[in-house]
Amino acid sequence: EPEVTQTPSHQVTQMGQEVILRCVPISNHLYFYWYRQILGQKVEFLVSFYNNEISEKSEIFDDQFSVERPDGSNFTLKIRSTKLEDSAMYFCASISPGTYEQYFGPGTRLTVT
Amino acid sequence: GEDVEQSLFLSVREGDSSVINCTYTDSSSTYLYWYKQEPGAGLQLLTYIFSNMDMKQDQRLTVLLNKKDKHLSLRIADTQTGDSAIYFCAENPPQGGKLIFGQGTELSVKP
Repeated sequence: EPEVTQTPSHQVTQMGQEVILRCVPISNHLYFYWYRQILGQKVEFLVSFYNNEISEKSEIFDDQFSVERPDGSNFTLKIRSTKLEDSAMYFCASISPGTYEQYFGPGTRLTVT
Repeated sequence: GEDVEQSLFLSVREGDSSVINCTYTDSSSTYLYWYKQEPGAGLQLLTYIFSNMDMKQDQRLTVLLNKKDKHLSLRIADTQTGDSAIYFCAENPPQGGKLIFGQGTELSVKP
């Protein structure tokens, strides 16, 4: 069964460094999302992406964040200059065409020290 | 604004039914979802219900939606130890496909 995959599973970085989190959505999906979950808190929406552009973003998704679909398969989230409060689990998701079924990847745990 | 609330913990005995409850605020939400998260894993889509439905059944899972009270529940029949996990309720506001999640209910199933 097709799955959303994410790499790496765990990323440790120093404050101020740039990180790129990678996702491979399910191949025929067209809508892509990033969410994050700070430990002990709710899963929060960051950004949605369709047709090679951002369709919606939350207040969390400021100028330090960017997303890209550099080729036909990868979908990336970049954080330009990480802060301690960016430490969280980051989930990628995609929607099956013609449905409202949103499938999530296993997540990348980002630890900023 | 949009908000989804769940109780944090539920403990049941193996073989009993579990009922996990959720309330949401956006009455115009089109779809409501239940996800399961096992330790160290991602969010697994269990089921979802369209807002014009009252009930949806899928094997051991029954979803009930009370749109008037903005209340959603997930019933798991014959709960097994493998059902132990965190269960998230989520709503889908009408504009765009983003999901708004509750804080999750940790289900503990005792043998």
